[in-house]
Amino acid sequence: GQQVMQIPQYQHVQEGEDFTTYCNSSTTLSNIQWYKQRPGGHPVFLIQLVKSGEVKKQKRLTFQFGEAKKNSSLHITATQTTDVGTYFCALDQTGANNLFFGTGTRLTVIP
Amino acid sequence: ETGVTQSPTHLIKTRGQQVTLRCSSQSGHNTVSWYQQALGQGPQFIFQYYREEENGRGNFPPRFSGLQFPNYSSELNVNALELDDSALYLCASSTGGSVVQYFGPGTRLTVT
Repeated sequence: GQQVMQIPQYQHVQEGEDFTTYCNSSTTLSNIQWYKQRPGGHPVFLIQLVKSGEVKKQKRLTFQFGEAKKNSSLHITATQTTDVGTYFCALDQTGANNLFFGTGTRLTVIP
Repeated sequence: ETGVTQSPTHLIKTRGQQVTLRCSSQSGHNTVSWYQQALGQGPQFIFQYYREEENGRGNFPPRFSGLQFPNYSSELNVNALELDDSALYLCASSTGGSVVQYFGPGTRLTVT
């Protein structure tokens, strides 16, 4: 079955420090999505990566898809308190049109 | 905001009871998926409805059932509630050709 590991599970950073979370799959992926869930909130779509080696940026967020399409990363530059939340990678299960979520990385930003 | 709405916001039920949760999809979206999110974990796929038909199901027992209506809104029904059913239930809508999910605010179900 589909297995995806997301590391780290938790990350505490001082405001202004950088943050990176990694998502690793046991199988080759057709695409990968990233979602953010604020405390007490619901997952919000951030981005979808499709191409091998793809890099996309959204302001301070940089998303990468590995060359082998088995891993992905999300990097936040100069974290702010508004970045607090849990970041999930999510894989679409081929042919099923639904998502398999990673375990998430909970980010805490200390002012 | 995504335009996906869910009701009720919170619900407390007793073990053995039945519950119905409701979801209105975002305008233009014909596909609704339901997810269960236990505390501290990622959402787990329950099932998906497309054009009023079940279009995929996760590893959940038959006491989890659903419906989709002609206006693409949807219901999730859970029978014979168990303590482990306590979770945030998320509805997500999408278009038939996209896997990107737009989530509603969720229903927090507590089973005592």
